[in-house]
Order: sequence, then C-alpha cells, then structure tokens
Amino acid sequence: AQSVTQLGSHVSVSEGALVLLRCNYSSSVPPYLFWYVQYPNQGLQLLLKYTTGATLVKGINGFEAEFKKSETSFHLTKPSAHMSDAAEYFCAVSVAQAGTALIFGKGTTLSVSS
Amino acid sequence: EAGVAQSPRYKIIEKRQSVAFWCNPISGHATLYWYQQILGQGPKLLIQFQNNGVVDDSQLPKDRFSAERLKGVDSTLKIQPAKLEDSAVYLCASSLDRGRAFFGQGTRLTVV
Repeated sequence: AQSVTQLGSHVSVSEGALVLLRCNYSSSVPPYLFWYVQYPNQGLQLLLKYTTGATLVKGINGFEAEFKKSETSFHLTKPSAHMSDAAEYFCAVSVAQAGTALIFGKGTTLSVSS
Repeated sequence: EAGVAQSPRYKIIEKRQSVAFWCNPISGHATLYWYQQILGQGPKLLIQFQNNGVVDDSQLPKDRFSAERLKGVDSTLKIQPAKLEDSAVYLCASSLDRGRAFFGQGTRLTVV
C-alpha cells in the first residue's frame, strides 16, 4: 500500500531562516508527489507538484522540493522563512494503480518567530 | 475561475442526528473527491467519483455515510446517524486529471 510519512509534526524557525519540511513516501510504482499548504479555517492550496521530468520543482511563495527516488523523499525547502509562511503543510502522493486520489501525510505545522 | 464551493461552512449537531454536506466542483472537472480531516491528521479519502460513477469508496463507513453525485456535477455527502467520532472537517475536491486537485474550504462538523 502507498503511504506518506512526514517527519516532525511541528517545526519552528526564525524569520529569515531556512525552512526544511521532510517527506518520505512508499510506492511500488512511479508516484506523483505534491505539497499542499493549509491556513487556518481554509482549504488546501497546492504549493508544488512533481509528475515527471526535472526532479527539482519550484512552487509558489519561494518554496521548492526535490524528488529523490533513491531516498524515496520529497522534502520541501525555502531559503528564507517569512511570518506569513506559518501554516500546516501536507505532503501527498498519487498513484495510478489506486486511481487519482491523493494519499496524505499527517502534516507538519510550521511556526515562524520574529 | 470559480473554485470548489462547499456548504455549510460549519455545522453542530447532536449524536444520532443526520447531516448533509453539499459540494459544487469546478466546472468541467470530471473527478470529485470527499475527504475527512480529523483534527491533527491529514485528509483521508472517503469517496471518489468519476462523472456519475464511484471509483473508490473503500474507506467510506457505509453503515452511516452515503454520497451521491447528481448528473456528474454537484455532490452531497450524508451522515446518518452521526457519532461523536465523526467530528471533523469534510473537504470536497475536484480535478481534471491526475496532476492537481482543487479543494474547497471545507465543512467543519461538530457532533455533541
């Protein structure tokens, strides 16, 4: 079965510091990988996605992620955190054999302090 | 482009009562999903529709949950009777293909 593991339920950084949110997946076939962000009382918004091709993908708000097949990882990074980045972040995988539905990790709450 | 619309935004009911949620997906999106998001957890797929048909409902508690998609457009999710553990945010999403799902703002259900 496919699964997603997000390491660290809470991550705290200072404004201007590097943001690193970790995601590992399990899949027997090539996956599509996604990062979504959720602000309080709002729905999920797509940050970026990997389907095929270039393994380093850039998303909105300065975020990027790198697909590493050998490590089954898709970590999310941002060089310099901003206060507005404080939110819940979800990594998700889509696998063709299971249809197109996304399988989500448990999420990581990012806190940014001034 | 209009997004995925859901209503109501909030609902409080007593256990053993029934409740229904409504979703209007983005125009032209053939695939519609209902997810349940319990506090502190990631969204869990309840049911997936492709046009009018059900693609995956393996995680839908069919003894109390039901869902339908009318004419391949709008969808309703019903819970009857509700239990305390059904308290969660119910998210509707739609997509054209495997590349991206668009989510609504969700309905926050509290069962007391």
